[in-house]
Amino acid sequence: EPEVTQTPSHQVTQMGQEVILRCVPISNHLYFYWYRQILGQKVEFLVSFYNNEISEKSEIFDDQFSVERPDGSNFTLKIRSTKLEDSAMYFCASSAGQPSYEQYFGPGTRLTVT
Amino acid sequence: AQSVTQLGSHVSVSEGALVLLRCNYSSSVPPYLFWYVQYPNQGLQLLLKYTSAATLVKGINGFEAEFKKSETSFHLTKPSAHMSDAAEYFCAVTPGTNAGKSTFGDGTTLTVKP
Repeated sequence: EPEVTQTPSHQVTQMGQEVILRCVPISNHLYFYWYRQILGQKVEFLVSFYNNEISEKSEIFDDQFSVERPDGSNFTLKIRSTKLEDSAMYFCASSAGQPSYEQYFGPGTRLTVT
Repeated sequence: AQSVTQLGSHVSVSEGALVLLRCNYSSSVPPYLFWYVQYPNQGLQLLLKYTSAATLVKGINGFEAEFKKSETSFHLTKPSAHMSDAAEYFCAVTPGTNAGKSTFGDGTTLTVKP
């Protein structure tokens, strides 16, 4: 069964550094999402992306964050200058759209900012 | 707009006892509903989902849930708890008719006593 993949599984970075988290959505999907889960908390929506544009973003998704679909298969989340509070598990998800809007989640990337 | 409320942040049961984790939702469109399980330092594992077909859905590991529109509920049950069921459980709602974001509940920590 097709699945969403994410790399790396764990990333450690120093405060102030840039990180890029990578996702490969399911191949025929059109809608892409990033979510974040701070340790011990619930999963929170960050951003959704469709047709090479951001379709919705949360208040968490400030100017330090950006998303890109650089080619036909990857979907990336960039954090320009990481802060300690960016330490979290980041989940990518994708959806085919009509007729089913079900979102399929990847395994997550654990980001640790030191 | 949509939201999820998980009643009870901590639930404790004895091994072999019934597990009941409560989830109520609100959604302005027909929803898709999901239950995920998360073990410490791991990603989200899909337990089961409701995507507008049968209202009683069966999932992995003996779990099932019933979609009750009149009660706006999607409670998760398992007839007999096993020690390996101890984990964090998240209920989530996704719009069933558009590509909007998923919204997760705060989570319920299930403890299983021997």
